[in-house]
Amino acid sequence: GQQLNQSPQSMFIQEGEDVSMNCTSSSIFNTWLWYKQDPGEGPVLLIALYKAGELTSNGRLTAQFGITRKDSFLNISASIPSDVGIYFCAATNYGGSQGNLIFGKGTKLSVKP
Amino acid sequence: GAGVSQSPSNKVTEKGKDVELRCDPISGHTALYWYRQRLGQGLEFLIYFQGNSAPDKSGLPSDRFSAERTGESVSTLTIQRTQQEDSAVYLCASSLRDRGLLITEAFFGQGTRLTVV
Repeated sequence: GQQLNQSPQSMFIQEGEDVSMNCTSSSIFNTWLWYKQDPGEGPVLLIALYKAGELTSNGRLTAQFGITRKDSFLNISASIPSDVGIYFCAATNYGGSQGNLIFGKGTKLSVKP
Repeated sequence: GAGVSQSPSNKVTEKGKDVELRCDPISGHTALYWYRQRLGQGLEFLIYFQGNSAPDKSGLPSDRFSAERTGESVSTLTIQRTQQEDSAVYLCASSLRDRGLLITEAFFGQGTRLTVV
């Protein structure tokens, strides 16, 4: 079935550092989404991307929808402690019965000891 | 309500018992998804409802799992004869499908934490 390969699985950040993570697939998607999940909570939407090549920012977050429609990346600039959590990419195709939204396995962000 | 609501928030059940988990989507959202998240793991797709179309059940792990949705409102996920491996957080999400058939971003509830003892 369709799969999203998200990397890295985990990373440590030091306050002020920039962070980058990405998602790839062998399938083409029309929509890419990025979520953040804090412990004990449901995932919260950060950024939605609807057009190949689209680059969208939300504060310190920037995400891009790859031109091939098979990948996306998320950058966090000048990280702060509250950025820790698990980040998930998700993708879907719209139209007909192809609306299933699938997720990557997540990137866990922790503070560097 | 303003967001996706799930109940109960926590459920402890004995192995072999049946459980029902409820999801109230955002009003007007036509698409509804169920996911399972085991401790420290990602989101595993279970089932997807979209309007009056036949649901996509391709993610249900066994015939012990089933889900229903009444129109474009409440959904119930039922797990029969629960096993310890069913212990997980069950998350529901909903999204709006506009007249252009674009499925927009999905919003999640806080989940139901199921523990099978």
